[in-house]
Amino acid sequence: NAGVMQNPRHLVRRRGQEARLRCSPMKGHSHVYWYRQLPEEGLKFMVYLQKENIIDESGMPKERFSAEFPKEGPSILRIQQVVRGDSAAYFCASSWDMQETQYFGPGTRLLVL
Amino acid sequence: EDKVVQSPLSLVVHEGDTVTLNCSYEVTNFRSLLWYKQEKKAPTFLFMLTSSGIEKKSGRLSSILDKKELFSILNITATQTGDSAVYLCAVVDSGAGSYQLTFGKGTKLSVIP
Repeated sequence: NAGVMQNPRHLVRRRGQEARLRCSPMKGHSHVYWYRQLPEEGLKFMVYLQKENIIDESGMPKERFSAEFPKEGPSILRIQQVVRGDSAAYFCASSWDMQETQYFGPGTRLLVL
Repeated sequence: EDKVVQSPLSLVVHEGDTVTLNCSYEVTNFRSLLWYKQEKKAPTFLFMLTSSGIEKKSGRLSSILDKKELFSILNITATQTGDSAVYLCAVVDSGAGSYQLTFGKGTKLSVIP
């Protein structure tokens, strides 16, 4: 009865490197949401994907950030040329359909040195 | 822009106390309000509320929504140390591109023996 899986749980990168965060949704779920939680801030929506499609990326920064959810394999959130301000916890959530009841993974804590 | 404000930001109580957590919101096209519990890992789903005046209950936790006054409360009776967590409130705007959750900053509850 695996829930939403995220890896790595912790990631350290130096400025200018790339960060790749992975999310495997719950079994049977084909909808994935990514949220970011900055220190002392609430969770903020970034992007919503279905298999092979980006449906809503209104919360995604315009540069350096991208997301995908291929037909096979996990959803990937990619951050290129990371900066210190990217340090945050990144949470993935999944649902079986487009619905608001979303189930969250444990998050990836990204630290940019 | 949709907005969620939670109060208090933090709360310390003794085991056995009853607590009430508050969530007020502004949303263009209200669809639903959700409560999550966040310990040191994944936010876990508690309740989803869509209609005013109908109490949702699960064990010692209960929640109710007032769509006229634009707020919700989460009650926890007979608190236990295991209730210590950050409680998150989120709303869904049906006019958004997806069922993205707009979160408040959370209420940090500490229950001491």
